[in-house]
Amino acid sequence: DVKVTQSSRYLVKRTGEKVFLECVQDMDHENMFWYRQDPGLGLRLIYFSYDVKMKEKGDIPEGYSVSREKKERFSLILESASTNQTSMYLCASSLPRGSGDTQYFGPGTRLTVL
Amino acid sequence: AQSVTQLDSQVPVFEEAPVELRCNYSSSVSVYLFWYVQYPNQGLQLLLKYLSGSTLVKGINGFEAEFNKSQTSFHLRKPSVHISDTAEYFCAVSDPNAGGTSYGKLTFGQGTILTVHP
Repeated sequence: DVKVTQSSRYLVKRTGEKVFLECVQDMDHENMFWYRQDPGLGLRLIYFSYDVKMKEKGDIPEGYSVSREKKERFSLILESASTNQTSMYLCASSLPRGSGDTQYFGPGTRLTVL
Repeated sequence: AQSVTQLDSQVPVFEEAPVELRCNYSSSVSVYLFWYVQYPNQGLQLLLKYLSGSTLVKGINGFEAEFNKSQTSFHLRKPSVHISDTAEYFCAVSDPNAGGTSYGKLTFGQGTILTVHP
């Protein structure tokens, strides 16, 4: 079974802090994704990566950056956390094109910014 | 850009009743379609997917969905629900022919909260 893990289930930070959310997958997947989930808005893509050191902006990249130094690890960085970044953050991974685009999700990190 | 509309934000049903969760997507070209389920305080789990072939797709936990190309719909059904089916359900679409930096991306609907009452 594919396993995607996220470093924290719950996180509380203060406005202005730098926040790191870590995601690790154990199935050698090329593609990795970061989403945020808000009630009534579904999942919105923040960033994705289709290879080590490669990254692409998703639909809502403002206020976020990412890092992928190793194939299995994809980090989401909030340079200066703000209250409007309070949300559930979900990481996912998938095989490359031709494998059906199925994404496998981690358990999520619920971030609260005070 | 593709879009996905889940027509009901909340669906309350009684246990053992049938249920249908509706999903429409915007694209008329080839698509891959997915239904995911999210139980409280968990990540998303794949229920079923349509890539090609038979338009009736069977998934886990007794769910099935029917791909209707002419109506651009992919509704999820279960003939008899259980309390344990209470969760949020997400419909998603991807474009198998998308190139460049768009490949492999899923577009999600807003979610439907299914609540099963005893």
